[in-house]
Amino acid sequence: GAVVSQHPSRVICKSGTSVKIECRSLDFQATTMFWYRQFPKQSLMLMATSNEGSKATYEQGVEKDKFLINHASLTLSTLTVTSAHPEDSSFYICSALKTSGGDDTQYFGPGTRLTVL
Amino acid sequence: LAKTTQPISMDSYEGQEVNITCSHNNIATNDYITWYQQFPSQGPRFIIQGYKTKVTNEVASLFIPADRKSSTLSLPRVSLSDTAVYYCLVGDIGSGNKLVFGAGTILRVKS
Repeated sequence: GAVVSQHPSRVICKSGTSVKIECRSLDFQATTMFWYRQFPKQSLMLMATSNEGSKATYEQGVEKDKFLINHASLTLSTLTVTSAHPEDSSFYICSALKTSGGDDTQYFGPGTRLTVL
Repeated sequence: LAKTTQPISMDSYEGQEVNITCSHNNIATNDYITWYQQFPSQGPRFIIQGYKTKVTNEVASLFIPADRKSSTLSLPRVSLSDTAVYYCLVGDIGSGNKLVFGAGTILRVKS
């Protein structure tokens, strides 16, 4: 199997606070994980690539100081939305890359609904 | 990263076979093709992945012609619960396995 979990599933916070979202690969190790954001009725947008033991790689237009990513182990990556504002309200989804004999596949978590008041 | 083009939406009836075709004209040699299914407020679910010819698993088949410029996801005997958005993606190890999501295809299955 290839199961990826996220915690929390939903979070509501006040403007100006920071929120941490965890992404875990439960039954495989993942050197690489990805973070996406999805707004209502839109497709997923890649935010950054999280690499175990090294700095994350951010997509153009994504503020690295606002979206802090830490990939401290082969099964856990965290995304911290710092000083959240209402425009950061979105559905955040992570994926973990499972590599096996040349077939690399991303498996996605269930997503985290962030609402900033 | 190769760009993909899919129909915006498709309608079908329960019990029918559904084929969703995706074009990826500038697919590179190392690129593989992956299809995902997404329900509202959930993360995408892996359906099938292939590189060439035909791949089949317990839920779908993936047909890839020799030139690999397109691929077709085949869902046998769909049910109402197959109503979802289906994404075709192309990615390769060389680009860090990044996947760029397009708009996807909204499949509506009717009774």
